[in-house]
Amino acid sequence: DIQMTQSPSSLSASVGDRVTITCRASQGISNYLAWFQQKPGKAPKSLIYAASSLQSGVPSKFSGSGSGTDFTLTISSLQPEDFATYYCQQYNSYPPTFGPGTKVDIK
Amino acid sequence: EVQLVESGGGLVKPGGSLRLSCAASGFTFSSYSMNWVRQAPGKGLEWVSSISSSSSYIYYADSVKGRFTISRDNAKNSLYLQMNSLRAEDTAVYYCARSHSGVIQHWGQGTLVTVSS
Repeated sequence: DIQMTQSPSSLSASVGDRVTITCRASQGISNYLAWFQQKPGKAPKSLIYAASSLQSGVPSKFSGSGSGTDFTLTISSLQPEDFATYYCQQYNSYPPTFGPGTKVDIK
Repeated sequence: EVQLVESGGGLVKPGGSLRLSCAASGFTFSSYSMNWVRQAPGKGLEWVSSISSSSSYIYYADSVKGRFTISRDNAKNSLYLQMNSLRAEDTAVYYCARSHSGVIQHWGQGTLVTVSS
């Protein structure tokens, strides 16, 4: 199975900050990488697929990049509604696997 | 609007069975692969099972293989997960999710399964 890691596991940031989260795959996955946002007590929301493509309706302050084994999710200007846990997931091969998550909270 | 509504969760004893359902609306159900993803309390997301649009391809996580069965009824726009031989470690919120070409696009609100004596 492909193992996914994320760093940092948590971060504290202020409104307006630029935030970057890193995701690494244990082997190359091309660009078969998705990002999800989850708020406490809520279902995950799909943000990005194919490493850098935004899902319909997702604001452009979210961006993704990377290919192979190293990927990043960037939030250009953090807003109160962006405080959440973010997960990456590879869908290059079965079983699809998720990273452990990065919790973004208020400084 | 895409809607996925799970049901069937609850409290069950170890070794027991439960059947989850997911009612889909707002899209052509028979054109999409569907998935179950779970999340144990306070933990991360874990993929459980996937089924292709026509049920031709089915996949399971090793942790549930031989105990869980995924199925769908395209005439009823419904997805199912039959869970047998349940263990304490199966306790989780179970999400139904729609995917296309492997990409999860939409999630249901989840249903809680608690396995405890």
